[in-house]
Amino acid sequence: DAEITQSPRHKITETGRQVTLACHQTWNHNNMFWYRQDLGHGLRLIHYSYGVQDTNKGEVSDGYSVSRSNTEDLPLTLESAASSQTSVYFCASSERLPGTGDEQYFGPGTRLTVT
Amino acid sequence: GQQLNQSPQSMFIQEGEDVSMNCTSSSIFNTWLWYKQDPGEGPVLLIALYKAGELTSNGRLTAQFGITRKDSFLNISASIPSDVGIYFCAGHNNAGNMLTFGGGTRLMVKP
Repeated sequence: DAEITQSPRHKITETGRQVTLACHQTWNHNNMFWYRQDLGHGLRLIHYSYGVQDTNKGEVSDGYSVSRSNTEDLPLTLESAASSQTSVYFCASSERLPGTGDEQYFGPGTRLTVT
Repeated sequence: GQQLNQSPQSMFIQEGEDVSMNCTSSSIFNTWLWYKQDPGEGPVLLIALYKAGELTSNGRLTAQFGITRKDSFLNISASIPSDVGIYFCAGHNNAGNMLTFGGGTRLMVKP
């Protein structure tokens, strides 16, 4: 069955280190998204991509970057991890854009702790 | 940025009771979505609404797209223990191709 996976599921890192979270989907979806989830804020969009070589900033993109070298993967990099980036991170994908009848499907999440 | 106000923030109910939660916005949305998140998992889409006034059911779940396009509600009838989780509303307004999420409603069901 097609799916979307994230790794690692849990990560503890130190302030200032570079961290990369992986997201891999086997649906061949064009659109991929990264969100962070914090208490009281719901899900906030970090970066998104509509296809290979395409990346766009979301609502809370500062301190994060993404790259899209193939359809299946959208890794999220924290250039210099900060304690404010302690959160649960979700990757999502969709075949078509929001509002067009095919909505986003989420991965299981990565819990990141920055000490 | 845009905000969706979701209420209540949490609910603790008895098994068998009906549940109602809602989402409101100061701006118009063209699509309303309802997701459920189980502990330790990602959100899963429950219901999608694309038309003002639309009422859609999925088993014991019913959701409506408000006539004003600024609100939506989700009802769960005859709750069961597996309904426990966090329910999120999300809206899309065709601007920027992004979803805006509410803060979530945490549902707890007492057997």
